[in-house]
Amino acid sequence: EPEVTQTPSHQVTQMGQEVILRCVPISNHLYFYWYRQILGQKVEFLVSFYNNEISEKSEIFDDQFSVERPDGSNFTLKIRSTKLEDSAMYFCASSEGVGGYEQYFGPGTRLTVT
Amino acid sequence: RKEVEQDPGPFNVPEGATVAFNCTYSNSASQSFFWYRQDCRKEPKLLMSVYSSGNEDGRFTAQLNRASQYISLLIRDSKLSDSATYLCVVNRGNTPLVFGKGTRLSVIA
Repeated sequence: EPEVTQTPSHQVTQMGQEVILRCVPISNHLYFYWYRQILGQKVEFLVSFYNNEISEKSEIFDDQFSVERPDGSNFTLKIRSTKLEDSAMYFCASSEGVGGYEQYFGPGTRLTVT
Repeated sequence: RKEVEQDPGPFNVPEGATVAFNCTYSNSASQSFFWYRQDCRKEPKLLMSVYSSGNEDGRFTAQLNRASQYISLLIRDSKLSDSATYLCVVNRGNTPLVFGKGTRLSVIA
């Protein structure tokens, strides 16, 4: 069964450092997403991406964040200068379409900022 | 008011029990509805979409009441492996998913 994959599974970084989180969405999916979940809190939307551009972003997704699809398979989230409050699980998701289409999530990257 | 509200639980039930979770959503423009389950420190996994006519998948039944803006999930014959957090999720068409905080279920032997 096709699945979304993410690397690394755990990233520890120092405050102010840049991190890149990587995702390989399901191959025939066209819509890609990043969500995050701070420990003990709900899953929150960060950004959606379609046709090589951002289609929607939340208030959390400020200038410190960027996304890219550098090739035909990878989808990356970059945090330019990490803060302590960026510590969270970051989930990548993909879907065939929008609206009623189901989104499938990767296993997540646990980011710890020290 | 939160866009998606759920009773956080925990619900502690014996194996074989029937348990029901409820969820309310505030935005009447919401169009698509889902239940996901999330195990501790894992990703949300799609359990089922929720349709206006109600739908069933094995031991799981989901119902939607658009007039009351209410979604439910019923689990029959609970198994130990059903222990997880159940997330109520909605979206408004071409928008990202909005998650509830989840309801925690523990099925006890």
